[in-house]
Amino acid sequence: KAGVTQTPRYLIKTRGQQVTLSCSPISGHRSVSWYQQTPGQGLQFLFEYFSETQRNKGNFPGRFSGRQFSNSRSEMNVSTLELGDSALYLCASSLGQLGNTIYFGEGSWLTVV
Amino acid sequence: QQQVKQSPQSLIVQKGGISIINCAYENTAFDYFPWYQQFPGKGPALLIAIRPDVSEKKEGRFTISFNKSAKQFSLHIMDSQPGDSATYFCAASMIGNQFYFGTGTSLTVIP
Repeated sequence: KAGVTQTPRYLIKTRGQQVTLSCSPISGHRSVSWYQQTPGQGLQFLFEYFSETQRNKGNFPGRFSGRQFSNSRSEMNVSTLELGDSALYLCASSLGQLGNTIYFGEGSWLTVV
Repeated sequence: QQQVKQSPQSLIVQKGGISIINCAYENTAFDYFPWYQQFPGKGPALLIAIRPDVSEKKEGRFTISFNKSAKQFSLHIMDSQPGDSATYFCAASMIGNQFYFGTGTSLTVIP
């Protein structure tokens, strides 16, 4: 069974631009969550989608948004990029029931210059 | 506010030794506690997980010890190997799939 797939793996953007990251969950998984990982802040929860609805949201500004499609694939978007947005963005999928294990993809490395 | 506190930040262990990483939490609503292993350039991979109704869980060389009254849990890696050198994260979750992660422990196993 294929794991969580994230694209692109690496990207460089300029301040003020926007970026869209994509995530394909494990087959059969209906929940997709996104995390930001930085050396200083560690792993921080962005948001979680289940059946195309945002179920939980972390403490990030409105520049960070996401969506989930009917096939459970998800995208996250960051608008008006700031230098501090440079991070590894991780997508994780799960079956969706409470307390289910989440499985991470390899992440998308975003560098903002 | 850090929901899950992890220590130590880094750990160096001799091959064959025991690696111990500790985590503490405050929110008693947490009901699922996984550990993840992350190698450089890779996403975190699930290692082992426990629920609060169990005090210990063992899978191969990896053991989670859970102390509900102290609100602490720890990961023990027995017979540590150089291939275990990685960053380890503890985590806790309650509602839905929002997980709170510790700050990570960088483990180095010396041959």
